[in-house]
Amino acid sequence: ILNVEQSPQSLHVQEGDSTNFTCSFPSSNFYALHWYRWETAKSPEALFVMTLNGDEKKKGRISATLNTKEGYSYLYIKGSQPEDSATYLCAFSYTGNQFYFGTGTSLTVIP
Amino acid sequence: GAGVSQSPSNKVTEKGKDVELRCDPISGHTALYWYRQSLGQGLEFLIYFQGNSAPDKSGLPSDRFSAERTGGSVSTLTIQRTQQEDSAVYLCASSAGGLAGNTIYFGEGSWLTVV
Repeated sequence: ILNVEQSPQSLHVQEGDSTNFTCSFPSSNFYALHWYRWETAKSPEALFVMTLNGDEKKKGRISATLNTKEGYSYLYIKGSQPEDSATYLCAFSYTGNQFYFGTGTSLTVIP
Repeated sequence: GAGVSQSPSNKVTEKGKDVELRCDPISGHTALYWYRQSLGQGLEFLIYFQGNSAPDKSGLPSDRFSAERTGGSVSTLTIQRTQQEDSAVYLCASSAGGLAGNTIYFGEGSWLTVV
C-alpha cells in the first residue's frame, strides 16, 4: 500500500482568505495525480487531472501545481467562499489503474 | 445514464447478514472502481474492473467481500456475514478508460451501517 499524505488534516479560514494545502506521494514511477472535492452528502467531484511534472491547472479561484520529482502537489484557493467548504482529496497512481487516496483536507470557510 | 448511480443509498443491517450494493456506471465507461471510507479513514481501494480483463481484487479486505460486473456494465459488491467494522460508505466510480489520465466520476455512495 502506497503512502499518500495530505496536510493539514483540517483547516478553518475566514471568508475572503486565500489558502493552500499539500498532497505528498512517492516520487518514483509517477503516472497521474488527481484532485477531488467532496462535499457532504454529495459524490466526490473531480477538480484536476495532472500528469506532467510542472503542470499547473486552474479552475476559477482554485489552482494546483505538481512536482513529480519531489513528490508533492499543492492546491490553492484564492478568496475562499463558504461554498468552498468541503473535503479535498488527492489520488495518486503509478500503474495507470489503481489509485491511492490521501485522507483529505477538510476545509471550513467561515462567513 | 447521466452519472454513476448507486443503490441503496443507505442500508442498515444486522451483524451476520449478507448485503449487496449495486453500481450502474456511466454508459460507455470501461473502467469501474469500488472504494470505501470508514469513519476517520481515507478512501480505501477495494476492486477495479477494466473491460473484459480479470479484475484487480487486491484491495478486498477479506474473503467475505466479492464483486462482479455483468456485461461490462452494472457491478454488484457483496459482503457476506457482515461485521460492525464493515460499516462505511461504499463508493463506486467509473472512467472512460483504464488510464489514470482519465477523469474518474463517482457515485454518491452507499452508506452501510452494521448493527
